[in-house]
Amino acid sequence: NAGVTQTPKFRILKIGQSMTLQCTQDMNHNYMYWYRQDPGMGLKLIYYSVGAGITDKGEVPNGYNVSRSTTEDFPLRLELAAPSQTSVYFCASTPVEGLGGYTFGSGTRLTVV
Amino acid sequence: AQSVTQLGSHVSVSEGALVLLRCNYSSSVPPYLFWYVQYPNQGLQLLLKYTSAATLVKGINGFEAEFKKSETSFHLTKPSAHMSDAAEYFCAVSDPQGAQKLVFGQGTRLTINP
Repeated sequence: NAGVTQTPKFRILKIGQSMTLQCTQDMNHNYMYWYRQDPGMGLKLIYYSVGAGITDKGEVPNGYNVSRSTTEDFPLRLELAAPSQTSVYFCASTPVEGLGGYTFGSGTRLTVV
Repeated sequence: AQSVTQLGSHVSVSEGALVLLRCNYSSSVPPYLFWYVQYPNQGLQLLLKYTSAATLVKGINGFEAEFKKSETSFHLTKPSAHMSDAAEYFCAVSDPQGAQKLVFGQGTRLTINP
């Protein structure tokens, strides 16, 4: 099925560990985004990309890194996990002319202990 | 900077009653506005969007929203609530010139009472 695929769905990390959240879309969308969702806070933009090789910071980028080597993939890297990074992470994509009609992945629930 | 305020983090209505979820926005440019719905343990799904065409926008599942520039509002309504409408709803605003980045409100959890 076409869409945005995120892996893993759940993960528990210890403080200081690193991990990569994977995001792949098969709709040939140029724009991709990473958001984190915390209870009562809505979604906050971490990083975004407007095409392969082009990334930029969002509202809450500290503690994260991204890369975009292909149109399809947009992985999010956590280098030194902290309890404040406990959250649900969503990847989304849209075509250039998509007018905000994002397609969201099903999310990754991350707990840092 | 753009921002969105959703009035009421929790709204509870009876089945068959009117649903009204409030959203006010702040934007320095003519905005695009969106409502998304999130069912438990799922991603977000687009309900409807305003992109400077008709001010009354109809979406999926019987929902609609009206863009009121003078009130900077984009409230979501449904005439008759159904049990399946129980979910969390997010209002969002984007800058048409800003890589379509969305700024989300904090969300409103809708509960439907039988």
